[in-house]
Amino acid sequence: QAVLTQPSSLSASPGASASLTCTLRSGINVGSYRIYWYQQKPGSPPQYLLRYKSDSDKQQGSGVPSRFSGSKDASANAGILLISGLQSEDEADYYCVIWHISAWVFGGGTKLTVL
Amino acid sequence: EVQLVESGGGLVQPGGSLRLSCAASGFTFSDYTMNWVRQAPGKGLEWVSYISSSSSVIYYADSVKGRFTISRDNAKNSLYLQMNSLRGEDTAVYYCARENFQFDPWGQGTLVTVSS
Repeated sequence: QAVLTQPSSLSASPGASASLTCTLRSGINVGSYRIYWYQQKPGSPPQYLLRYKSDSDKQQGSGVPSRFSGSKDASANAGILLISGLQSEDEADYYCVIWHISAWVFGGGTKLTVL
Repeated sequence: EVQLVESGGGLVQPGGSLRLSCAASGFTFSDYTMNWVRQAPGKGLEWVSYISSSSSVIYYADSVKGRFTISRDNAKNSLYLQMNSLRGEDTAVYYCARENFQFDPWGQGTLVTVSS
């Protein structure tokens, strides 16, 4: 079982909200980790969006709109990237990342389609 | 402007070697941990290696351990990845990324193709 699991795809309408999940493997407690989120558009390197551990330990990337926000669902052992007021330019791949046992671990990525 | 520029990619035969470079500018390179991250064609991101600012701490992904070597030259503001015993599954775009908790920024990447 992968350390981080993301749904491979998600579709949402312009103006709506999209909730992208990043589920940690059983036995790895989401509460103990900072979760980092990156956005990647075709042909471009990834760009840092934000990191979230708790409401007192979070950071928004420079220039990243406030409609991108992070949270956690402890009951699901998952990190969440919420994108509100979806725009066509938000169509991209999104990756979650954690630092786990002396290694950076990436989720498999979610392809977000805005249509 | 903070900038990272990778170079050294290309076509190499299985079992061959290649050395990637990442030139940093616009910031005090010696203050930052650096990483290599790769992305196979049409696939997701995979972390490859980590090196602390003074090179005292180094980590590798299991998939490259024993074959790849990360290094840096702070006097030259440069990061390197020596890749030996290359395999088809090493085919990917290789990105260098500055780490300050998060990876930011990333370079544009350099493509490594392992094929006969």
